[in-house]
Amino acid sequence: EDQVTQSPEALRLQEGESSSLNCSYTVSGLRGLFWYRQDPGKGPEFLFTLYSAGEEKEKERLKATLTKKESFLHITAPKPEDSATYLCAVQAALSGGYNKLIFGAGTRLAVHP
Amino acid sequence: SQTIHQWPATLVQPVGSPLSLECTVEGTSNPNLYWYRQAAGRGLQLLFYSVGIGQISSEVPQNLSASRPQDRQFILSSKKLLLSDSGFYLCAWSVAGANVLTFGAGSRLTVL
Repeated sequence: EDQVTQSPEALRLQEGESSSLNCSYTVSGLRGLFWYRQDPGKGPEFLFTLYSAGEEKEKERLKATLTKKESFLHITAPKPEDSATYLCAVQAALSGGYNKLIFGAGTRLAVHP
Repeated sequence: SQTIHQWPATLVQPVGSPLSLECTVEGTSNPNLYWYRQAAGRGLQLLFYSVGIGQISSEVPQNLSASRPQDRQFILSSKKLLLSDSGFYLCAWSVAGANVLTFGAGSRLTVL
């Protein structure tokens, strides 16, 4: 069964304290791994797509990496505005012309000044 | 540019009442459309998806239904709500064949 597990469930950091969020997955025929940011009461906002092991993508203080079994979202010197829930999702093998994304439960990040 | 609209933003309904959530996309043609539900502490669950007008596929059996009466309009409905239908409902779209989803702002449904 395709599955995505994110850890930790919640993370509290001091401003400037770097850390990493983990996304472990089991899926047959990975077509892509996605990271989204979700602010309270809003829809998820797309951050990155990774397609193959070894791939890395960066955006401001965020860097996403991918291995064959997991992905990490590294946050360098976070600021309070980075506080949000970060969602990981994997795209299962394409079927029927649509994209089925399987989401993890997310990591709630709180960055305190 | 493309935009996605969802309404209503919040809804409080009694058990047994009907439901209609609407989603529209602007600035694109023939998008793939999706309805997800997000329960507290759980991942987003795909409910329905559509690759064209009148074409609806269901992922999870339940008392909800979806319709796509126009190319860029996606509606989530129920004839009789259950307590378990409470949650945060998200509409999303993607370019046909592409893999990045763009989500709407969501609709918070509370069933009492």
